[in-house]
Formats: sequence, C-alpha cells, structure tokens
Amino acid sequence: QSALTQPRSVSGSPGQSVTISCTGTRSDVGGFDYVSWYQQHPGKAPKFIIYDVNKRPSGVPDRFSGSKSGNTASLTISGLQPEDEADYYCCSYRATYTLVFGGGTKLTVL
Amino acid sequence: QVQLQESGPGLVKPSETLSLTCSVSGYSINSGYYWGWIRQPPGKGLEWIGNIYHAGNTYYNSSLRSRVTISIDTSKNQFSLKLSSVTAADTAVFYCARLGGYGGGWSLTYWGQGILVTVSS
Repeated sequence: QSALTQPRSVSGSPGQSVTISCTGTRSDVGGFDYVSWYQQHPGKAPKFIIYDVNKRPSGVPDRFSGSKSGNTASLTISGLQPEDEADYYCCSYRATYTLVFGGGTKLTVL
Repeated sequence: QVQLQESGPGLVKPSETLSLTCSVSGYSINSGYYWGWIRQPPGKGLEWIGNIYHAGNTYYNSSLRSRVTISIDTSKNQFSLKLSSVTAADTAVFYCARLGGYGGGWSLTYWGQGILVTVSS
C-alpha cells in the first residue's frame, strides 16, 4: 500500500507562509474529498488540524488552511509562528474503508 | 471528552504475537464510529494499520492483512490489536484513534497517547 508523497522538509521565517503538498492518485486524494492533516510535535501524539480537504475543527487557528487540485492536496500555514515547528502528515480515504498516510513533512521555523 | 488509552506489553519477542488494547472513556463504542490503529516506527512516519466499526466490521492495510486482527469488546468499551509473527521491523509506537465526528467521518479525530512496543529477544 503506497504512501502519499510529501516533501521531507520545508522551512520558513516567522510571519511567512509555507505550503506542504501531498500527492496521491485517483484512488485516494483525487477520488474523494476526505483528506485530513495532522500536526505532530516531538514525543506527542498527532493532532488533527484539517478534515475533508479544507475544513478546520474548532480551536485550530485560521492560519491553517487546506486545498486540493486533482491528485494533490495542500496544507498552507500563514503567519508562521515558532510553535508551528512540527511534523505534518496528510491522510486520505482510499476506497473500501481504508486510509493511507503521507510520509510526513518536517516544518522548520527559522 | 473522548479519551483513549493504549495498554499492553512494551517488549515482545520475535515471531510472537503483539497484543494491545485501547480503552475508551467519555464515549460508548457501541454508539457508533470507526475505531483505528496506527503505528509509527522510531524516527519514521505514520502507518495506518486498520479500522473496526462498532458493529465489528474490520478493514486492514493490505500490507499487514495476513498478520493483523482487530476486535472490539463493547461490554468493556475497548478494542484490541493483534499482530502476529512480529520482527524487529514491527518495533513502533502504536496509537489507537477514533474516526469521525466531523464532516464525512474519515479523519482521525481523537488519539491515544501512544505506546512503544519493542520487538527484541
């Protein structure tokens, strides 16, 4: 079961914006609007920050936004803050009630 | 507030079966939703293992299907993971999670804190 493709790392300065891509296929990202994103700080459990491509659960700052075009989903973090430094994972529904994760992206706030 | 807590042995011998339990509080498993297991080898990314519906339907990662069993015990408000014939490559932090409660229901909305399981003789 192939993972979704994410860049291994991205970086940005405080106040800047960064975008993390997540590329799949028509069988997952491109076929369903069920992409979610997770933030994971070292030694902690993941925390979900985006669901259904572009929706934010309550409590997640509006600096975090999601989008999708074709087989690629994206997470954009605007107005970077030091506490945004973490690993980020995308996850997509794949047919027949299964899920697939991306390989993860390490965000460094310079 | 939904809370999940993994429990089980932290050390398993090669070729044996890894068994973990996830205890749920703040929500009755019998009321609905899918419940899942995810693992993360040290220093690596997340891997979805499988889901179970409250009615007992199971869905597994195709790469692990031959070795994985997920079951549910609604009387104890718990669900469990068994992974057989383990090797060192199965060493990981294992997380249990609940899906759904938002939108289409395919996001992992509540997570346990995770439990490290090491496979070693």
